[in-house]
Amino acid sequence: DTEVTQTPKHLVMGMTNKKSLKCEQHMGHRAMYWYKQKAKKPPELMFVYSYEKLSINESVPSRFSPECPNSSLLNLHLHALQPEDSALYLCASSQRTEVYTDTQYFGPGTRLTVL
Amino acid sequence: AQSVTQLGSHVSVSEGALVLLRCNYSSSVPPYLFWYVQYPNQGLQLLLKYTTGATLVKGINGFEAEFKKSETSFHLTKPSAHMSDAAEYFCAVSAGTGANNLFFGTGTRLTVIP
Repeated sequence: DTEVTQTPKHLVMGMTNKKSLKCEQHMGHRAMYWYKQKAKKPPELMFVYSYEKLSINESVPSRFSPECPNSSLLNLHLHALQPEDSALYLCASSQRTEVYTDTQYFGPGTRLTVL
Repeated sequence: AQSVTQLGSHVSVSEGALVLLRCNYSSSVPPYLFWYVQYPNQGLQLLLKYTTGATLVKGINGFEAEFKKSETSFHLTKPSAHMSDAAEYFCAVSAGTGANNLFFGTGTRLTVIP
């Protein structure tokens, strides 16, 4: 099973709302990633978790707050977002971060619209 | 530093024709190269990857790519296009800098004409 699941599939929120995106994998992977993808652009790395610890934060605004409660789950908490944050948010996982040949498996994404 | 250049943001081919999507990379260390496909409103799916060894890599759905170090290229090909191949294709290089994160090219949208 090489599946990464993400919920919800679609999310519409106002600029004052607080919401969360959820990602789950049961492949025993110890590295998990959040990417942001704008239309017709490649994915941009936001955060990397390695063994449930945040290892990379690509200068993401604090209105995005990641959380890794256990090795299978990754959350992205959203608060006071801006309309320009509207995008497809992709979660991915790989066996480890330190092995460059490991494949990253991507989830289907959450399509976020901020009004 | 690592980077990827995909020539042609949009490629159109007729059904049954050869598919050729171009990717050139720049890397200060031996590169690990990947091709991903993204269908509309979906996540990315790995087509194939090159790590070491055989330079001709076969992937899913009849795609293959050849690693050419002298040309710093990793072009994706498929002998005969199918309508279901219409999608966005991303070439990526692994960072090799202590974190397994990918540097993506800007993508190539493949259109297949019936």
